[in-house]
Amino acid sequence: EPEVTQTPSHQVTQMGQEVILRCVPISNHLYFYWYRQILGQKVEFLVSFYNNEISEKSEIFDDQFSVERPDGSNFTLKIRSTKLEDSAMYFCASKLGQGETQYFGPGTRLLVL
Amino acid sequence: AQSVTQLGSHVSVSEGALVLLRCNYSSSVPPYLFWYVQYPNQGLQLLLKYTSAATLVKGINGFEAEFKKSETSFHLTKPSAHMSDAAEYFCAVRDTGRRALTFGSGTRLQVQP
Repeated sequence: EPEVTQTPSHQVTQMGQEVILRCVPISNHLYFYWYRQILGQKVEFLVSFYNNEISEKSEIFDDQFSVERPDGSNFTLKIRSTKLEDSAMYFCASKLGQGETQYFGPGTRLLVL
Repeated sequence: AQSVTQLGSHVSVSEGALVLLRCNYSSSVPPYLFWYVQYPNQGLQLLLKYTSAATLVKGINGFEAEFKKSETSFHLTKPSAHMSDAAEYFCAVRDTGRRALTFGSGTRLQVQP
């Protein structure tokens, strides 16, 4: 069964460093998402991406964040200058079309020291 | 904006007992509703979803949920708990016209032998 994959599974970085989290959505899906879950808190929406542009973003998704679909398969989330409060589990999700189910990847656990 | 309330951050049941996980949403217009499950160190897996076709929705692993508009609820049930059901369960809502999911805070289900 097709699935969303994410790499790395864990990443440790120093405050102020840039990180890139990678996702490979399900191959024929058209809508892509990033969510995050700070330890012990809710899963929060960050951004959605469709037709090579951001279609919706939350207040969390400020200028420090960016997303890109550099080729036909990868979907990346970049954090330019990480802060301690960026430590969280980051989930990528994709779906085929409007009204369809979002399928989530296993997540990348980011720890900012 | 939509919000989702999950009553009970932890629920403990005995193996074979009824599982009831509560979810209430805030909306005057019925949204799309979902239950996801997260097993330890894994991503979010869809259990079931409500999209206005039927008020009683059957999902995977013997779970089902009933949409009650009068109570703005979408509680998750399973008649007989199994040890393998131990996980964190998230209720989520998506407004029509929006792409993002709004998640509840989650309920951790423990199943005692």
